[in-house]
Amino acid sequence: AQTVTQSQPEMSVQEAETVTLSCTYDTSESDYYLFWYKQPPSRQMILVIRQEAYKQQNATENRFSVNFQKAAKSFSLKISDSQLGDAAMYFCAYRPYGGATNKLIFGTGTLLAVQP
Amino acid sequence: GAVVSQHPSWVICKSGTSVKIECRSLDFQATTMFWYRQFPKQSLMLMATSNEGSKATYEQGVEKDKFLINHASLTLSTLTVTSAHPEDSSFYICSAREVNTEAFFGQGTRLTVV
Repeated sequence: AQTVTQSQPEMSVQEAETVTLSCTYDTSESDYYLFWYKQPPSRQMILVIRQEAYKQQNATENRFSVNFQKAAKSFSLKISDSQLGDAAMYFCAYRPYGGATNKLIFGTGTLLAVQP
Repeated sequence: GAVVSQHPSWVICKSGTSVKIECRSLDFQATTMFWYRQFPKQSLMLMATSNEGSKATYEQGVEKDKFLINHASLTLSTLTVTSAHPEDSSFYICSAREVNTEAFFGQGTRLTVV
């Protein structure tokens, strides 16, 4: 069975600094997707970034980038130039490739605080 | 991204009554919808997966007679919590996706049973 592990329940970063959130996963599949979702206090789930496993290049979205290490089954999120609005719960998620009903498997989340 | 609207945002109901939560995909056809439950400071727990026009598939441990899911059209799925009790109080979130696309989330519903 696939699992997603986030070993950091809470993290803190100073405004304008960089922070890295860790995520590891376990799967026997070769094709899959990995995601980072942000859940601010409003509790609306927001997709931050997505990575296809077959792509070697790490995904980047503005200040957000990932370090995808397929062999190590590691998928960390780096937030550069942290802003107060980045404070939220961050969930790492995995989904197998293909199939309309393939479900997301979430990690337990990392609560990120941004200090002014 | 696509928009998923969930209604109501919050609801209070009396113990023993039923409450219905709606999840609508506003600008796309959702072949699959997912219903989650989230306790405070915890992750999302998948309750069930529904495909348009067919019965929902429930996760292990989720009572299908208590949490009725209907996905009658490509833009609407409903979750009905029947005979609600205080332990059913929680935050419920839906997500919807077309085939081979991202899943988009509704804004969630906070249910309080008194």
